[in-house]
Amino acid sequence: GQNIDQPTEMTATEGAIVQINCTYQTSGFNGLFWYQQHAGEAPTFLSYNVLDGLEEKGRFSSFLSRSKGYSYLLLKELQMKDSASYLCAVKDSNYQLIWGAGTKLIIKP
Amino acid sequence: GAVVSQHPSWVICKSGTSVKIECRSLDFQATTMFWYRQFPKQSLMLMATSNEGSKATYEQGVEKDKFLINHASLTLSTLTVTSAHPEDSSFYICSARDPASGGQDEQFFGPGTRLTVL
Repeated sequence: GQNIDQPTEMTATEGAIVQINCTYQTSGFNGLFWYQQHAGEAPTFLSYNVLDGLEEKGRFSSFLSRSKGYSYLLLKELQMKDSASYLCAVKDSNYQLIWGAGTKLIIKP
Repeated sequence: GAVVSQHPSWVICKSGTSVKIECRSLDFQATTMFWYRQFPKQSLMLMATSNEGSKATYEQGVEKDKFLINHASLTLSTLTVTSAHPEDSSFYICSARDPASGGQDEQFFGPGTRLTVL
């Protein structure tokens, strides 16, 4: 079966750095997305990785290793507004998005 | 950027009634739209893929006669929850694929509709 694993919840301090991991086992791979979802709102796009390596976009970076079935989202200089759920999603061989359950990130002052 | 709207934002209805939710792509034409359902503290669950001009493709376990999907134009897809029951109460989110996004094939999400069935 297809499976995406993320930690359920993480806590970090304002101003710090946090890394959210995602491991996947899917039938094929055509890219990996990270989305941010605030409570009661729809997901918003953060990043997309299709090749191995690190993609940096401001305070957020995303890394992919296809051989390991592994990705992480790195958030720097954390702000209170970064408190949200972070969803990892993989596009499989049929170009369907397979979603992880999301990681709830709690930022403390 | 690509914008997707949903209407209504929230709806409360009595058990047994039908509710229609609209999903519109505002600044691009979406040949494919997706309908998701999300229960509290759970991940997104794909319900169906809606293709303009053809029948929707439903995920396993989703009743197509209960969740009617119509994608009549390149900018509008509708989801009708027929004979709604309290267990249908959930957060319904649509997304649209922008063909112009190329290989990334990003999905743009609407703001969601919170349905409460009494």
